[in-house]
Amino acid sequence: SQQGEEDPQALSIQEGENATMNCSYKTSINNLQWYRQNSGRGLVHLILIRSNEREKHSGRLRVTLDTSKKTSSLLITASRAADTASYFCATEGNSGNTPLVFGKGTRLSVIA
Amino acid sequence: DGGITQSPKYLFRKEGQNVTLSCEQNLNHDAMYWYRQDPGQGLRLIYYSQIVNDFQKGDIAEGYSVSREKKESFPLTVTSAQKNPTAFYLCASSPGTGTSGLFFGEGSRLTVL
Repeated sequence: SQQGEEDPQALSIQEGENATMNCSYKTSINNLQWYRQNSGRGLVHLILIRSNEREKHSGRLRVTLDTSKKTSSLLITASRAADTASYFCATEGNSGNTPLVFGKGTRLSVIA
Repeated sequence: DGGITQSPKYLFRKEGQNVTLSCEQNLNHDAMYWYRQDPGQGLRLIYYSQIVNDFQKGDIAEGYSVSREKKESFPLTVTSAQKNPTAFYLCASSPGTGTSGLFFGEGSRLTVL
């Protein structure tokens, strides 16, 4: 499968700093999505970027997509302790109705 | 409120027993999914259904079974054939592919004693 790979696996920053997480994938996609998961909870959809888009913003989130390199990045600006969670990228392939494939995630810790 | 409800939240099972995890949604979504998550790992797809009375195997379907008799319900049975069933199980739904993200339930944690 075309599982995405996040980098780094874990990230620890101070409150107020920016956090950048990266995702790489293997095959052509329709879109790429980012999700957040608090410990022991379900995932929450954050943002979707289509293959013909290069950058998207939502509040303190900025997502970029480089289809030539098959990479995406998620930037969280001015991080808060409440941003502490695991973040996953997920890709939707472009060969028919294929379900999302998730990466292993980046565990973000924001220290107050 | 609209959403996805998974039950039970915690479940303990003896080896050799089948268990069924419930997933109900009132979002009127056509597609529903079951994922498995192991500690420190991403999500792996077990089964998915894009329409009532139809479902497809995901990457790790062996030892699991599902049904989709109603649009709002997609129960997952973990059978005794699943060799390592202890995991966190997540159900999700979506209105369709390519248009929006998945909506997830809060998960069910299954422990085999």
